[in-house]
Amino acid sequence: GAGVSQSPSNKVTEKGKDVELRCDPISGHTALYWYRQRLGQGLEFLIYFQGNSAPDKSGLPSDRFSAERTGESVSTLTIQRTQQEDSAVYLCASSFSAALSTDTQYFGPGTRLTVL
Amino acid sequence: SQQGEEDPQALSIQEGENATMNCSYKTSINNLQWYRQNSGRGLVHLILIRSNEREKHSGRLRVTLDTSKKSSSLLITASRAADTASYFCATDGGYSTLTFGKGTMLLVSP
Repeated sequence: GAGVSQSPSNKVTEKGKDVELRCDPISGHTALYWYRQRLGQGLEFLIYFQGNSAPDKSGLPSDRFSAERTGESVSTLTIQRTQQEDSAVYLCASSFSAALSTDTQYFGPGTRLTVL
Repeated sequence: SQQGEEDPQALSIQEGENATMNCSYKTSINNLQWYRQNSGRGLVHLILIRSNEREKHSGRLRVTLDTSKKSSSLLITASRAADTASYFCATDGGYSTLTFGKGTMLLVSP
């Protein structure tokens, strides 16, 4: 595709429910990143994939958060038993590889999650 | 703690003026990048400067990097209302992920 796409663009859920957020990276990009951005804050790294494996999961806030990637393409970020503090914009980015010395990350428009 | 910290947190200027934003970081880096974010959604990459570079230009953007002071600055010349956005610096810190600062909110008034 032309760019990184994310769905849904907005999600409102009730506390305790599970949510799934989807990211479609740019075709051919092997690296994929998930970030969280709370209101008025910077980006908080969650997890990244190189291909289908996740070398770095250190940013996941708790075991309620998980992510997977299949076919070196689509990734889903799942949040179980959502809490109000999970409310944020979840941003996905992709890059040609994880070699950050030369590669730019291209961001999707984000999913705004609101937990009531 | 944040690897990159931008200042000021907010900046308000008139069209035509120059805007300067600063970024400080803590650990060694391979490169430093600047991104722009409109309306709290997706980020757009502006410019990347490598650790062995001191200055880089792209259109109306000028970025400097001082690795001895662990700081960078982004200068936007002849600003326009369309430059209104949040600007973030991001560092790789030698790892395969980027660490972003909290950003500078720039408001350019017509």
